[in-house]
Amino acid sequence: DQQVKQNSPSLSVQEGRISILNCDYTNSMFDYFLWYKKYPAEGPTFLISISSIKDKNEDGRFTVFLNKSAKHLSLHIVPSQPGDSAVYFCAASGGYGNKLVFGAGTILRVKS
Amino acid sequence: GAGVSQSPRYKVAKRGQDVALRCDPISGHVSLFWYQQALGQGPEFLTYFQNEAQLDKSGLPSDRFFAERPEGSVSTLKIQRTQQEDSAVYLCASRGWETQYFGPGTRLLVL
Repeated sequence: DQQVKQNSPSLSVQEGRISILNCDYTNSMFDYFLWYKKYPAEGPTFLISISSIKDKNEDGRFTVFLNKSAKHLSLHIVPSQPGDSAVYFCAASGGYGNKLVFGAGTILRVKS
Repeated sequence: GAGVSQSPRYKVAKRGQDVALRCDPISGHVSLFWYQQALGQGPEFLTYFQNEAQLDKSGLPSDRFFAERPEGSVSTLKIQRTQQEDSAVYLCASRGWETQYFGPGTRLLVL
C-alpha cells in the first residue's frame, strides 16, 4: 500500500506564477515531512521540511503547509522560475532521521 | 563541504554477476541509508546504519542483497547473482541532525 501519494504526475506553470504541489499520506505515525527536488541523473536535493507540531514552514520562495487532520501537505513555490523545473518528491518519516517513505513524484515544468 | 559521493555512477552487469556499490557519506554523519529507485517511482528504503551497526534491513528485497559499513563511514551495497529486476538507481543518503542528504546514485542495468 502506498503510504505517501502524489496524485498529480505532472504540473505546468507559467514563470512568475505560483506552483502548488500536493501530497497525501495515510500513516498517522508520520511526524516529519520533507520535500526534495530532483534533476535528471542527480540525487534528490533537500528543499524544505516540516515537523508535525507546525502547520507552516517558509524558506524564501518555498513554503510547506501541513494539514494533519486531512493528512495532507503542500509545497508552494512563489514566484516560480524556469530553474524550478524538476521532479519533486514528498517524503515522510516516523521520527527525525528515520527511514523516509517517498511519493512517486510530480514533474514540474515552469514555462518562460 | 563535500556531499555524499557514490561510485560507480553507472554499472552494466550481466545477469548472474555480482556487483558492489560504494557510498562515501558526509564526513561526521553517523547515520547512513540505502534506497532503491525504480524508473518513474520514488526511492524505496533498503537499509539503515548507525555508525557500523546495521539497525534496519527490512527493505532489502532478498538475501542476494547485502550491505556493510565496517568502520562506520564508507558503506558498500553488494548484490549477488544479479537479476534483471535489480535494474534501478541505488541511492545512498547520510543524515546529520534532522535531514537526509542524498548522493547522485548508481544506475545499475542488468542485461
